[in-house]
Amino acid sequence: EIVLTQSPGTLSLSPGERATLSCRASQSVSTSYCNCLAWYQQKPGQAPRLLIYGASSRATGIPDRFSGSGSGTDFTLTVSRLEPEDFAVYYCQQYATPKGYTFGQGTNLEIK
Amino acid sequence: QVQLQESGPGLVKPSETLSLTCTVSGGSISSDYWNWIRQPPGKGLEWIGYLYHSGSTDYNPSLEGRVTISGDTSKNQFSLRLSSVTAADTAVYYCARALPNWNPPDYWGQGILVTVSS
Repeated sequence: EIVLTQSPGTLSLSPGERATLSCRASQSVSTSYCNCLAWYQQKPGQAPRLLIYGASSRATGIPDRFSGSGSGTDFTLTVSRLEPEDFAVYYCQQYATPKGYTFGQGTNLEIK
Repeated sequence: QVQLQESGPGLVKPSETLSLTCTVSGGSISSDYWNWIRQPPGKGLEWIGYLYHSGSTDYNPSLEGRVTISGDTSKNQFSLRLSSVTAADTAVYYCARALPNWNPPDYWGQGILVTVSS
């Protein structure tokens, strides 16, 4: 099983600041098919919303202040200028192995 | 736009079988990958398994042996059965769609809380 470790666990920032979230995989999630890493945003009482897939492609309707980068085992989600609605929990997910999608434990992005 | 809606009992007794159904609109379960994912209260997300090609399945190895996912193309629904449940299976259960060919789940249902308690 591929284990994803997210850091930090909690990130306290103010609106307008830049957020950098990290996701590290226990083995490579980059295959000949894709950089198989996605990022989700989840707000209380809501289902996760897909932000980024293929490590760096924004999903439909996602603002361009969200960007993803990385390959292999190290990935980053960056929010360039935080808006009030961006404060939420963020999860990374790998889909490189058919018998085992796994998620990171989450990063709580909170208002400072 | 694909829409998914979970339905089923919100309370299940220990040792019994949890059964949930996901009704899909705006898409067909004959194509794509149809997932079940759960989230215990206050915790992270756990992939349970998926249905694809109308009848093939893959499951999380940690749940294999207790989980069955099946589909009903006539109703455009797919279902989850999880046997021998314990309190550790208490969670919000989500159904979600993923496109084929190495894509993550993109459309999700709103989720349904299932509590395991006597």
